[in-house]
Amino acid sequence: NAGVTQTPKFRVLKTGQSMTLLCAQDMNHEYMYWYRQDPGMGLRLIHYSVGEGTTAKGEVPDGYNVSRLKKQNFLLGLESAAPSQTSVYFCASSYGALGLAGGTEGSSYNEQFFGPGTRLTVL
Amino acid sequence: AQSVTQPDIHITVSEGASLELRCNYSYGATPYLFWYVQSPGQGLQLLLKYFSGDTLVQGIKGFEAEFKRSQSSFNLRKPSVHWSDAAEYFCAVAFYYKLSFGAGTTVTVRA
Repeated sequence: NAGVTQTPKFRVLKTGQSMTLLCAQDMNHEYMYWYRQDPGMGLRLIHYSVGEGTTAKGEVPDGYNVSRLKKQNFLLGLESAAPSQTSVYFCASSYGALGLAGGTEGSSYNEQFFGPGTRLTVL
Repeated sequence: AQSVTQPDIHITVSEGASLELRCNYSYGATPYLFWYVQSPGQGLQLLLKYFSGDTLVQGIKGFEAEFKRSQSSFNLRKPSVHWSDAAEYFCAVAFYYKLSFGAGTTVTVRA
């Protein structure tokens, strides 16, 4: 059981290049998320998915696209990278919806599990 | 809109001393609250969570947090800090499918 994995771990891009970050989870979770982490700003939600074939915008979606063709995978794409997208990107997944009732007290139903992160630098 | 404030950007504490990290939230309904810890170069690990019931929540690594609705707070505490507790700590509130995070508090532990 690998949990949430992210590929690649590090990447350096030039302005205007494109790339795709891959997130995979083996916990059969319905919900998946992409965050970016910048100093002094915590984590901000880029896009999320509430199930296979669905995606939705988060707080900071501009410049990113996502796809969820398979339940276990959530891809984050940068079509034309910009220096402002230099950041650490985290993927997460959860079985249930965080703010809604479900599961039992003490279970991980509403818990979000995080991947190890991808450090992206755009020059 | 929901939001989370962590007033302390950086805290330095001596090993063996107590630690308290502050978290205030803004949310219209009953909040689901979380504390995560991030060690340098690592992902986020859940320390504890509050959904309902007892307002004092126990977590891993000897941490606990107290939910105070009247103060809109969910402060994290540890009675005796270990050097391995040096990390960044994030408070978060859940809103439907999403988590809103505070900016984080960096904890430095001195010998």
